[in-house]
Amino acid sequence: QVQLVESGGGVVQPGRSLRLSCAASGFTFSTNPMNWVRQAPGKGLEWVAIISYDGRIEYYADSVKGRFTISRDNSKNTLYLQMNSLRSEDTAVYYCALQAFDIWGQGTMVTVSS
Amino acid sequence: QSALTQPPSASGSPGQSVTISCTGTSSDVGDSNFVSWYQQHPGKAPKLMIYEVNKRPSGVPDRFSGSKSGNTASLTVSGLQAEDEADYYCSSYAGSNNYVFGTGTKVTVL
Repeated sequence: QVQLVESGGGVVQPGRSLRLSCAASGFTFSTNPMNWVRQAPGKGLEWVAIISYDGRIEYYADSVKGRFTISRDNSKNTLYLQMNSLRSEDTAVYYCALQAFDIWGQGTMVTVSS
Repeated sequence: QSALTQPPSASGSPGQSVTISCTGTSSDVGDSNFVSWYQQHPGKAPKLMIYEVNKRPSGVPDRFSGSKSGNTASLTVSGLQAEDEADYYCSSYAGSNNYVFGTGTKVTVL
């Protein structure tokens, strides 16, 4: 059964950092590009970043470029999102998803508040 | 990259059809065959309903169909059922390895 499980969300103060994880199972993780997508409370979906299957290539939305870093460890079947210099507008549920957005995790909530 | 424009709401009675539009630009919807649609129930993750404009993943009822004309894509739900009540989002490849989602449409089954 193909499954993505996010973790690492929580409440963090503005300017601080947080790292999200996405554990993959049920498919060959190492051959699949992966995305992060977020959804602010009561708002729509926003694409955040994508990483190539081997982790060599990354692309980001302008809203997070220079602050967020997407990475992966294929030996652990895990995707990461390192979020630095967090702002209140980064408050959202963060989802990991396969390249084609055909499989999504259940999401993890990040709240940036003092 | 600006979000694709969708109507905030749409509705129909059981058995009727509803069509949702998704308007972008010549740089995203108008220039891409990678247009997708997602269904999201409250508190749940999005579910892929249509990909590559008009293809349905395995398990998605054929009541769901997609199309595109110019810079506007559309999702039609035929034979509305109570379980179709949800938020629907479109997405498109926007070039330069970027993706953009729509503003979302709340579908109500009357």
